[in-house]
Amino acid sequence: DIVMTQSPDSLAVSLGERATINCKSSQSVLYSSNNKNYLAWYQQKPGQPPKLLIYWASTRESGVPDRFSGSGSGTDFTLTISSLQAEDVAVYYCQQYYSTPAFGPGTKVDIK
Amino acid sequence: QVQLVQSGAEVKKPGSSVKVSCKASGGTFSSYTISWVRQAPGQGLEWMGRIIPILGIANYAQKFQGRVTITADKSTSTAYMELSSLRSEDTAVYYCALSSGPKWAWFDPWGQGTLVTVSS
Repeated sequence: DIVMTQSPDSLAVSLGERATINCKSSQSVLYSSNNKNYLAWYQQKPGQPPKLLIYWASTRESGVPDRFSGSGSGTDFTLTISSLQAEDVAVYYCQQYYSTPAFGPGTKVDIK
Repeated sequence: QVQLVQSGAEVKKPGSSVKVSCKASGGTFSSYTISWVRQAPGQGLEWMGRIIPILGIANYAQKFQGRVTITADKSTSTAYMELSSLRSEDTAVYYCALSSGPKWAWFDPWGQGTLVTVSS
């Protein structure tokens, strides 16, 4: 099974500043036949279900603000919030769907 | 736009079973895959298994094999997750979530969640 890790566990960023979350998979989630990375990102606020932000590692879901971006390939991925807003306070999870789905442990984002 | 609505909170005794439902509306149920993901208090997300209604096939995470059964009723566009031999560690919010098609994919949308509390 593919194991997902994330770093840091938590971070505090000033409003308007950049937040960067890293995600690593124990094996590559890049499918060579279509050159796609089978990696998604979610945002979860307290008391709510997760919300899809990004799939195929870098494709933003419809309606997601463009301050959210995903990058990376193979085993190393990054979610970037370019200018943190108060409403972005949440826990962020990565998930691979290359094989049996697995989530990272989450990264909590707060305001400094 | 598909929406998933789950059944209400449950309180169960250790050793018993719980069955949670997830009703889909606004789409073609059989063309989707419904997964179940749980989240223990203050913890992360854990995939439990899925069903492909059009094929009638269910897959389970190894951790839950033999203890979880996922079914679907195409006539009512409802998926079910039954977990047996409950223990305190099964206390969690259980979510259903939708993927398009039978291949592994991302989850969107999610149900609102069902809190299952296991306590004597």
